[in-house]
Amino acid sequence: DAGVIQSPRHEVTEMGQEVTLRCKPISGHNSLFWYRQTMMRGLELLIYFNNNVPIDDSGMPEDRFSAKMPNASFSTLKIQPSEPRDSAVYFCASTFTGSSTDTQYFGPGTRLTVL
Amino acid sequence: AQSVAQPEDQVNVAEGNPLTVKCTYSVSGNPYLFWYVQYPNRGLQFLLKYITGDNLVKGSYGFEAEFNKSQTSFHLKKPSALVSDSALYFCAVSQGGKLIFGQGTELSVKP
Repeated sequence: DAGVIQSPRHEVTEMGQEVTLRCKPISGHNSLFWYRQTMMRGLELLIYFNNNVPIDDSGMPEDRFSAKMPNASFSTLKIQPSEPRDSAVYFCASTFTGSSTDTQYFGPGTRLTVL
Repeated sequence: AQSVAQPEDQVNVAEGNPLTVKCTYSVSGNPYLFWYVQYPNRGLQFLLKYITGDNLVKGSYGFEAEFNKSQTSFHLKKPSALVSDSALYFCAVSQGGKLIFGQGTELSVKP
C-alpha cells in the first residue's frame, strides 16, 4: 500500500512568492493533519481536517497560511506571501478516524527554503 | 494543557547495550501516548503506542515502552541497541486526535 504522499519533496523559493504544498493521504483515511518542524519550535500541528472539514486551525501561524481539502484524497497548504521564517519541513499525516487512539501515519515531508 | 517532556537531548549507547529514551507526560484524563522515530531526511515512523491495558507495550524493531502512571512516564527501551537504531526519537501525547510532541531525543549507537 502507498503511504502518505507529499509533493514536492524540496522547494526553494524567494521571499514574497506563493508556495503550495500538496498531500495525498492513505486511501480510506478520514483525517488529515499538517505539521511543521523547525529547530526552534520542534514539531507543531498547523491544522487538521476530518471528513474534508477543517476542525482545528489554531496552529496556523497567520493569515498568510491557508489549507484546503477539496476531497478525501487531496489537500494543499498554501503560503502567500512566503517569508524566510517559513523555512521548515512540512509534514502531512493521516489516520482512519482522527480519534485520540488512532495512529497517525506521516508522509516524507516537504523541505521548504525561503530565500 | 497536555504536554510531554523528553529530558535528554542526546543519548549515547554502545552497540549491544540496552538503551532507554526517557519521556514524561502531563495530561488531564486518560493518557494516550506514542513513540515515533525519524531517520535523517525522512518522515516520522510509528513505533508503538499506549492506550490502555498492559503497562509494557511492544512495538516495531524490537522496541518496547513502559507506561508508569505514578511517575507519569513512558520510557522507550530496547534490550540490545543496533547502530541502525541511531535516529531522532519523539514521544507524543494525543489530545482530541492531535499529537503533541516532545522536543525529541537524538540517539547515537556506536559500534
